[in-house]
Amino acid sequence: GQNIDQPTEMTATEGAIVQINCTYQTSGFNGLFWYQQHAGEAPTFLSYNVLDGLEEKGRFSSFLSRSKGYSYLLLKELQMKDSASYLCAVRGRGSTLGRLYFGRGTQLTVWP
Amino acid sequence: DADVTQTPRNRITKTGKRIMLECSQTKGHDRMYWYRQDPGLGLRLIYYSFDVKDINKGEISDGYSVSRQAQAKFSLSLESAIPNQTALYFCATSPSENTGELFFGEGSRLTVL
Repeated sequence: GQNIDQPTEMTATEGAIVQINCTYQTSGFNGLFWYQQHAGEAPTFLSYNVLDGLEEKGRFSSFLSRSKGYSYLLLKELQMKDSASYLCAVRGRGSTLGRLYFGRGTQLTVWP
Repeated sequence: DADVTQTPRNRITKTGKRIMLECSQTKGHDRMYWYRQDPGLGLRLIYYSFDVKDINKGEISDGYSVSRQAQAKFSLSLESAIPNQTALYFCATSPSENTGELFFGEGSRLTVL
């Protein structure tokens, strides 16, 4: 089975840095994804990690440790538009290859 | 125009009615998915299809059925809708040679009274 945990809510101020953690326990692992979802909208892809380490993409970075079943999404220089839900998702392997299992999402509120 | 289009975007129906949600895509992707999203529960996979002749159950397929009419079309049916199927439904696509990135439609909000 798949078990993915992330905090329900986080708050931060504009210009700050925030780290959203995700831990997972899966029967097969073939990559970890982060998606952003604004209220009332569809999720959009942010990042993908399949190997250990840090992937940087502008203000957003994502880290993966497969041995620890742990990832984080780092958002720098926060802007008001970053207020959204951030979804951690794990891709399965074997019989579940190609399927994404999503965590419940972390609602980030950025204050001025 | 959106690459992944869902119809209808909003629907209110009554218990026991048959409902179909349709999804069409212009991305040329082989893989298509139906998810539902409920507050506090995240996205859960209902059904998925890796090509026209392939249909697979996801985590929560009971009460739902699907049809992959063509590479570009994947429809979700609720044969007899019940109130706990009230949710936001998303269709998504991904290419076969994929990193796993999903491309989502704009969502269909279904309310079952």
